[in-house]
Amino acid sequence: GQNIDQPTEMTATEGAIVQINCTYQTSGFNGLFWYQQHAGEAPTFLSYNVLDGLEEKGRFSSFLSRSKGYSYLLLKELQMKDSASYLCAVGDSNYQLIWGAGTKLIIKP
Amino acid sequence: ETGVTQTPRHLVMGMTNKKSLKCEQHLGHNAMYWYKQSAKKPLELMFVYNFKEQTENNSVPSRFSPECPNSSHLFLHLHTLQPEDSALYLCASSQERGGGPTDTQYFGPGTRLTVL
Repeated sequence: GQNIDQPTEMTATEGAIVQINCTYQTSGFNGLFWYQQHAGEAPTFLSYNVLDGLEEKGRFSSFLSRSKGYSYLLLKELQMKDSASYLCAVGDSNYQLIWGAGTKLIIKP
Repeated sequence: ETGVTQTPRHLVMGMTNKKSLKCEQHLGHNAMYWYKQSAKKPLELMFVYNFKEQTENNSVPSRFSPECPNSSHLFLHLHTLQPEDSALYLCASSQERGGGPTDTQYFGPGTRLTVL
């Protein structure tokens, strides 16, 4: 079956760095997406990876290793507003997005 | 209006009611999606429309009925729902359905549905 695994919850300190991991097993691969979802709000697009390596966007970076079925989202200089759920999703061979359950990130002062 | 809008934002209905959820996208996209989001579960894809044609129905019960009159509007008609259908219903759109960055989905704020 198809599966996306992410930690359920993580806690980090304001100003620090946190890495949220995502491992996947899917039939085919058509890119990996990261989304941010604040409580009670819609998910918003953060990043897209289709090739191995690191993509950097300001304080957020996303890494992909297709051979390992692994990605991580790296958040630097954490701010209180980064408290949210982070969703990992993988496009399979049918171009359907398979979603993880999300990682709830709690930022403490 | 910009982005993806959904109405109503909150809906409480009885099991015998009929109601509809509305979604509108102002992004010029060609693909639209309905998702169900329950607490601590992955997003569940319900329906996909690509260029107004329904391309996917992920074994959704017939008490949920989608309608896509044009590429900007999407409806979800609800009738005789069950309490377990209570969830956040999210609409999304993407440039097109076909893999890659054009599948980047933009979500509406959702409708919080409670079935009594």
